[in-house]
Parts: sequence; C-alpha cells; structure tokens
Amino acid sequence: EVQLVESGGGLVQPGGSLRLSCAASGFTFNTYWMIWVRQAPEKGLEWVADIKHDGSDQYFVESVKGRFTISRDNAKNSLYLQMNSLRAEDTAVYYCARLTQWVRGVIMTNSYYMDVWGKGTTVTVSS
Amino acid sequence: EIMMTQYPATLSVSPGERATLSCRASQSVSSSLAWYQHKPGQAPRLLVYGASTRATGIPARFSGGGSGTEFTLTISSLQSEDFAVYYCQQYINWWTFGQGTKVEIK
Repeated sequence: EVQLVESGGGLVQPGGSLRLSCAASGFTFNTYWMIWVRQAPEKGLEWVADIKHDGSDQYFVESVKGRFTISRDNAKNSLYLQMNSLRAEDTAVYYCARLTQWVRGVIMTNSYYMDVWGKGTTVTVSS
Repeated sequence: EIMMTQYPATLSVSPGERATLSCRASQSVSSSLAWYQHKPGQAPRLLVYGASTRATGIPARFSGGGSGTEFTLTISSLQSEDFAVYYCQQYINWWTFGQGTKVEIK
C-alpha cells in the first residue's frame, strides 16, 4: 500500500524551530518529486516547498524562503521540512504529498499533480 | 499567481441526488486542473487530474469537466461517504488551490 506518514509537529514559540518528517512506503521513493503543503486554520491549502527526486533542486513559496529548508534521505525513504524562525502565521496542518508527472496522452508534460497525501501533522506557533 | 475560486462555498444535497461543484481560474490553466476530496483527520484524496481523468480507484459517479478557466466536478448520485470538502487545484504554474466547497447532507 502506498503511504505517507508525517510526524514532528507540535507547539513552538515564535522564533523557534521544528523539524517535520514524512515516512514513505509502498513505492519507489527515489523516483518521485515530493512536496509539503499546509493548511492554516480556516484557510485554504498552500504549497510550501518541493524537492526533486534526487534532492538536487528545491523550491519554496516566497513567505518561507530563508526560513524553511526541505531535504530528503532516499536511503530512509524520508522527506523532511526544517522550519526556523517560526511565526504565528506558520501555524497550520502540514501535509507531505507525492508529485506525479502529468502524461497527457503520449506527451510527458512539465506539470505535476499530487496523487498521494499523508494525514498531516499540526504545527502551532504561539507563546 | 493564478487564483482559483470555487463556488458555492457550501452545497446541501440529499443522498442519491446529483451535485455539481464549480471552479474558476483567474487565467487559463488549459487542462492542468485536479480535484481532491478531504475529510477531517484524513489525507486528501486525488479524484481527478487533467480536468477530466479519474484517478485510480475513483468511482465512476465522479466526473470532471471543463478547460481553460471554467471547470466542474459532478457527483452523479451522492453516497454517504461523499460528504466532504472538495478542492480544485491548478498545476500549470506552481500549485494553487481553491478555497473549497463543503458538500453537506441536506
């Protein structure tokens, strides 16, 4: 069974740090791009960061650049999100998801959608 | 950034009835559009990608349509397990989501 399980969430003070983990199973982890998505209370879903299958490229939403890093350990089938200088507005449920390349007919596009998600881990930034 | 707008925010439907959810993009996303179902405490579930292709294991009562800026997700006959929040998402230019439509029991 294809599965993603997040962990590492919790309560942290503003300015603090937290490291989220995502354990993958049931698929060949090192062949997929992966992504973190978050949902703040009463808000919509927001892409946070994504990483290439070999870890060589990473991309971030503007609001977390310079504060968050994304990494992966393909030997451990694990994805990570290191969050530093946390702010109240980072409070959210954080989901990891697998990205799959969209094949349109016989054409492999440069677009990717999220086909497998975890249940999420909650991060609360508050004093 | 491409903005995604979903309507209505809430849809009240009786079991067995048809539900039609709408999603509008602020600019054309071609067919780079996905729909997800989300229940509290569960992982979001991919229903449709490419605007109209059902994901693996998704029942035929779910169907997606549209292209460009206007999209729909239709649930032909609502089952009890279909009451949830549904999100559309564009993936032509990074990823942005609509605010969701909650399908509730009438």
